[in-house]
This record gives sequence, C-alpha cells and structure tokens, in this order.
Amino acid sequence: GQSLEQPSEVTAVEGAIVQINCTYQTSGFYGLSWYQQHDGGAPTFLSYNGLDGLEETGRFSSFLSRSDSYGYLLLQELQMKDSASYFCAVRAPGSARQLTFGSGTQLTVLP
Amino acid sequence: EPEVTQTPSHQVTQMGQEVILRCVPISNHLYFYWYRQILGQKVEFLVSFYNNEISEKSEIFDDQFSVERPDGSNFTLKIRSTKLEDSAMYFCASSLGRSSGNTIYFGEGSWLTVV
Repeated sequence: GQSLEQPSEVTAVEGAIVQINCTYQTSGFYGLSWYQQHDGGAPTFLSYNGLDGLEETGRFSSFLSRSDSYGYLLLQELQMKDSASYFCAVRAPGSARQLTFGSGTQLTVLP
Repeated sequence: EPEVTQTPSHQVTQMGQEVILRCVPISNHLYFYWYRQILGQKVEFLVSFYNNEISEKSEIFDDQFSVERPDGSNFTLKIRSTKLEDSAMYFCASSLGRSSGNTIYFGEGSWLTVV
C-alpha cells in the first residue's frame, strides 16, 4: 500500500515563508504532486515533481528527494488568500491515473 | 480557462434512494475520475474512466456505484441505494492524457447528504 504523512496544521503570518513537508511510502513512485483546497472547494493543482530537485512556480516551489521519500511545498510572501488545505499526492503503484492523497495540511495565514 | 463543471452542487436524499451526480469534464480531456471527500478527511479515489470504460476503481467503488458517459460531454456517477455513510463531497475530475503527469483538474464538487 501507500501512505503519505504531512503535518495537520501550520500557522504563519503574512509575508512570511512556510514549508509544508510530506513523506511518503509507496511500492512504486511516479512523482509527487501538490494540491490546494479552499474550504472544501475544488482541489487545485499546484505543482508536480517527477525528478529530484526544486520546481518553482511564482511564489510556490516544490522539492523532491526520492532517496529520502520526502518532498515539501514552499510558499513565499504569504498572503491571506493562501489560507487553505494543502495535500501532497502520489500515483498509486500499478495505476495509470489513480492518485492517493495525504490527509492535508491546514495552513492559516495571520495578518 | 476551461473547467470541470458539476451538478448539483448540493443534494439531500433519503437513505435507500438512487442518486445521479453529473459532470462535464474539460472538453479535450481523455481521462475522467470520481473522487470523494468525507467532511474533514482526505480526498479518496473512487474510479477512473477512459475510452468509454472503467480503467481503475477502488475498494470504495462497490456494486452500488456505477459510472456512465451517456454522450460526448457528460460523465455521471450513480449511487443505486444510498447509505448514510455515502454522505460526502463528490468531486469529478479530468486529465488530458498520459503525458500530463499527475495533473488532474477537479470540479467544485457535489455535496451529497444522505438522511
């Protein structure tokens, strides 16, 4: 099977930088994705890492270390609108398309 | 920007009743999915659909669930005899193809309440 672990809650202030970690266990690895979800709305794709290293998309970056089965999402210059749940996800082994999500990290950005 | 649309946004149904949730995936996408999220929990995979047939399904997707693509645009999830534990947000999603990595696009969800 697979499992993903991420912190349940993170709090930071506006303008700060926050890192949300994700460790995973899976028998086959096809990349790590990050999704954002506001108040139970549609999960929105943020970033994907198929190979080791850092992927940058504006204020958001994502990092992967396959040898450590670890990744993180880095959010810079935090804004109030970044308050949301953030999920890491991996593709299920032997699956072409099925994603397995972590339990999510609730980020609260304070003024 | 193209988006996945779902109807209804919220449905209340009595236990044992049949429910159909509807979705219009992004028009040029080839893979379609249903996920669900019980309140306060993580998003869980139900089923994926490609080339007019189910390609994968989870243990949650038992005989009371079915999916259909009745025409060129709609994708439906039917729950034949709803149970209290089926109460959840149901997300439809779609993705372009094999080269799209793990990028799938979710709709806003249909909140199902079984009473």
